[in-house]
Amino acid sequence: EDQVTQSPEALRLQEGESSSLNCSYTVSGLRGLFWYRQDPGKGPEFLFTLYSAGEEKEKERLKATLTKKESFLHITAPKPEDSATYLCAVQATGTASKLTFGTGTRLQVTL
Amino acid sequence: DGGITQSPKYLFRKEGQNVTLSCEQNLNHDAMYWYRQDPGQGLRLIYYSQIVNDFQKGDIAEGYSVSREKKESFPLTVTSAQKNPTAFYLCATGPQGTDTQYFGPGTRLTVL
Repeated sequence: EDQVTQSPEALRLQEGESSSLNCSYTVSGLRGLFWYRQDPGKGPEFLFTLYSAGEEKEKERLKATLTKKESFLHITAPKPEDSATYLCAVQATGTASKLTFGTGTRLQVTL
Repeated sequence: DGGITQSPKYLFRKEGQNVTLSCEQNLNHDAMYWYRQDPGQGLRLIYYSQIVNDFQKGDIAEGYSVSREKKESFPLTVTSAQKNPTAFYLCATGPQGTDTQYFGPGTRLTVL
């Protein structure tokens, strides 16, 4: 069974204090790993897709990286508007369209 | 305006009543999905459709039904057989040739 574990459950940072969120996964074969951002009461917003170990993608203050067992979402010099829940999901090979989601990391960035 | 529309945003129903949640898209995406989100749990797949007039059960299809008569629309019916229907329901779409899914704004269903 595919599994995704995200840590920490919650993270509180001061503005400018860089950190990383972790997504560990167990899957028979990885087709893709996805990061989303979700604001309270809203649908998830797509951030990145990663396909193979060693791949990195960046968007503004966010950088996602992938290894064979986990992915990191690095947040550099965060701002209060980066506060949200960050969701990780995996898609296994041979499971067209089926994403398995983690429970998310709730990030709060304070002034 | 391109996008995914879910209506209504909030929905209240009495126990034992069926209710239909709407999902419409004008992105010309082939695939459409329904998930439910509960506090402390990851999103769980209810049903998905990759083409008009065809759909497949996800992990938690019991007590739900769907139809895909048009490419733009994928309504979800929560039946009285669903034991714990109160949740946040999310519709997603995906273009052909990619695995990425894009989510709508969600409908919060409360069954009283």
